This record gives sequence, C-alpha cells and structure tokens, in this order.
Amino acid sequence: QSVLTQPPSVSAAPGQKVTISCSGSSSNIGNNYVSWYQQLPGTAPKLLIYENNKRPSGIPDRFSGSKSGTSATLGITGLQTGDEADYYCGTWDRSLTTGVFGTGTKVTVL
Amino acid sequence: QLQLQESGPGLVSPWETLSLTCTVSGGSISSSSHYWGWIRQPPGEGLEWIGSLHYSGSTYYSPSLKSRVTISVDTSNNQFSLKLNSVTAADTAMYYCARPPVDYGGLEVFDIWGQGTMVTVSS
Repeated sequence: QSVLTQPPSVSAAPGQKVTISCSGSSSNIGNNYVSWYQQLPGTAPKLLIYENNKRPSGIPDRFSGSKSGTSATLGITGLQTGDEADYYCGTWDRSLTTGVFGTGTKVTVL
Repeated sequence: QLQLQESGPGLVSPWETLSLTCTVSGGSISSSSHYWGWIRQPPGEGLEWIGSLHYSGSTYYSPSLKSRVTISVDTSNNQFSLKLNSVTAADTAMYYCARPPVDYGGLEVFDIWGQGTMVTVSS
C-alpha cells in the first residue's frame, strides 16, 4: 500500500487544464523532492517533472509541478488526447528509507 | 543516446530465483556517478521501487524486499543485474531498469527507462 495518495481519476475536455494532487507526510514529500511520471498504456513510465518543478529536456511547459508542505501537484494545461495516461508521483521516504510512488491517477480527455 | 534493455526468463517457478539483466548501450555504466535502479509494476497496479546500485558496488534496497534481493554490476559487459529469491505469485510484475537524470544524484528519480520485461511466477 502506497504512502502517497493520488485521486484515482481526473478528466477534462481538450484544451482545458487538469491538476493531480499527491498527498504524503513529513517523512516523504514534506522533506524531499517530488517527481512526476506519465505512463501511456503498454509503455514504460516517462519522467515529466523532478525536483518538484524541473522539466527534463523535451517535456513541454504544458506540464508543471509544485509542492506545498506535505502535498504536491501536477498541472497539465492545453489538454490533448495524447495526454490520456496514468500519472504517478514519486519521492524518497526517509522513515521507510525507500523510494515511494503514488497510487496513480488516470487522466481522461473527454 | 543512452538506452537500457532488460533481459531474462519470462517465467519463474515459485520459490526459485528471479534473475534479470539490464544492458546499457550508448554510454558506459562506470562513467556515470549515478545510481542505476530497478522498479517493478504488477499487472494493473502501481510502481514499486526495488533498489538502486552505483557502479562502484554500493547498493540500496527497498526494506520490504531487502532480505530477498541482490543488485550487482558487471562493468566489463556494461550491465547490472537483479536477483530476487524465493519468489511467489506476488512477485509477478513488469520489471524495469532505469537511470536518474544527469543532474540528479538521488536514488528515486528515473529519466531513462528500459522497455520492461514481464516476469510471471507460476508452476
């Protein structure tokens, strides 16, 4: 059972914005960087955001990350059909001494 | 361009040892200061960090798997490996090898991923 909680699903129309929350605790999000991944069906995860808000090369600025206290948020603007995927947050948990991932959120473009 | 490729048996018998290898191409595993990692994903479920290794041999493992897992490096073949012993059906998953971003020194963020290899534990 994951220590990072995400909503099971979010949806919006093309062109709109969605936000995905990731809730943790002081032993993980509260004291460590957060990363975000996109996983299209049948493919490996793709890093979208790391160190809370940094985008790897090639990731469009439609994807943004933020962190406040023990929660983090991924924002996707200008939603496209190609954004339909599962999204996971991740961080280090210093109490468990392990990398941890969120429960995952399925994004649906209406 | 750095690429990672997992390989190993797709079917393992219960209580046997799961052995996978990740072959690194397009770069040297020993020229990087990064930790190379293994992550798994049971069918229809989320991601689980298994552990990470530095080419020098230092390793970090998930506490929940630590008693059963070994990650090792073979610099001569530019590979690193995962061994998980005493497997059960709960270990059935897609197994990925991966590497962090070039400017990140931590263990738990992964930028370059292999395509994954499905391992089923069944008799």
